[in-house]
Amino acid sequence: QVQLQESGPGLVTPSQTLSLTCTVSSGSISRGNYYWTWIRQPAGKGLEWIGRIYTTGSTNYNPSLKSRVTISVDTSKNQFSLRLSSVTAADTAVYYCASALLQNPEGFDYWGQGTLVTVSS
Amino acid sequence: QSALTQPASVSGSPGQSIIISCTGIGSDVGAYDYVSWYQQHPGKAPKLMIYDVRNRPSGVSNRFSGSKSGNTASLTISGLQAEDEADYYCSSYISSRTLVVFGGGTKLTVL
Repeated sequence: QVQLQESGPGLVTPSQTLSLTCTVSSGSISRGNYYWTWIRQPAGKGLEWIGRIYTTGSTNYNPSLKSRVTISVDTSKNQFSLRLSSVTAADTAVYYCASALLQNPEGFDYWGQGTLVTVSS
Repeated sequence: QSALTQPASVSGSPGQSIIISCTGIGSDVGAYDYVSWYQQHPGKAPKLMIYDVRNRPSGVSNRFSGSKSGNTASLTISGLQAEDEADYYCSSYISSRTLVVFGGGTKLTVL
């Protein structure tokens, strides 16, 4: 069973870059059958898909965030990461990493516990 | 992209059945059988309940079932239990744009 754990700063200054890492345990991130994904949820609001990466490094991003988002993978550390630049208060949210099988691209079967990121000076 | 449309809230009594709808357009819900449903309790990560319209992951109660007609997907919960009280989200894959979109969420209250 895949286990995911987010890590990173809980407070980011406006206009700076938010950086989070997701560590994958109980299995190799290099397994070829998963998309590794970032999803966020502002307090009291719904879920928003940020983007995903495949083990080859191929990425897809939410068009509304594409200009500010970078997702990367480090197979040697069994981690994948999120960078979101030029953040504002609107980026304050709980950020989740999750996985989805290639054949079920919308079915996120494993989730991290989530990490709250607050954008404030 | 626009979020999928879900009712803000639904309610039911223990033992009853409820249906939560998820309406999209022809390029998302209506285009592919890539619709999933998630249950989220307060302060917890979402849990996958249904994937690919009607499939249940191992360990999910058979009281949960999914279906789709045209541009609308539905989640049915039968034999409502107090523990079912949670927020429910649908998601759909949009192949043409290679992205995933979520519904706005539905709060289920068990009376």
